Amino acid sequence: AQRVTQPEKLLSVFKGAPVELKCNYSYSGSPELFWYVQYSRQRLQLLLRHISRESIKGFTADLNKGETSFHLKKPFAQEEDSAMYYCALSGLGGSQGNLIFGKGTKLSVKP
Amino acid sequence: DAMVIQNPRYQVTQFGKPVTLSCSQTLNHNVMYWYQQKSSQAPKLLFHYYDKDFNNEADTPDNFQSRRPNTSFCFLDIRSPGLGDAAMYLCATSTWTSGRGTYNEQFFGPGTRLTVL
Repeated sequence: AQRVTQPEKLLSVFKGAPVELKCNYSYSGSPELFWYVQYSRQRLQLLLRHISRESIKGFTADLNKGETSFHLKKPFAQEEDSAMYYCALSGLGGSQGNLIFGKGTKLSVKP
Repeated sequence: DAMVIQNPRYQVTQFGKPVTLSCSQTLNHNVMYWYQQKSSQAPKLLFHYYDKDFNNEADTPDNFQSRRPNTSFCFLDIRSPGLGDAAMYLCATSTWTSGRGTYNEQFFGPGTRLTVL
């Protein structure tokens, strides 16, 4: 079964501390993985996708097929990073890029 | 700015009274999606349109229907809302190129929060 698991409902760190939001997935084929973010009172938006291999707002994520993980990392958290983060999966061969979301992790960065 | 618009932002309906949520886009994307998100849960895909081709998820209740009269608009109809249908409903759009297997970013609307009394 296709599934995305984000084990942490809430993650609280201090400004300047490293942050890692965990994401594990279950998929039989070759998935494409994404991180979406929702800032307070804003809409859900794409943060990054694994095929882009780019760093957005200081965040990176590496797809580890052996561990079926796609953890989101940032070396130094900022207060403006406080938001809800969703890991999502889309499977090749699936229909038109449908996304399967995890339940989300709320990141709180304290001053 | 090109965007995805959802109206209304808040909708209150009565148990069993049909309700329609609307979504419009100025992005000219060929795919439009409807997601249901209940409190503290992941957004769950209900169905999507690839152009005029309707694709229903297997576990979407029959109570939920959709219409896409043109590229810009897509509607979610709940025929007989139950208390369990209270949720945030998200509309999203993207582009999909058949044969290339290209997954493009989904652009989300702000959502409509549905309350069922």
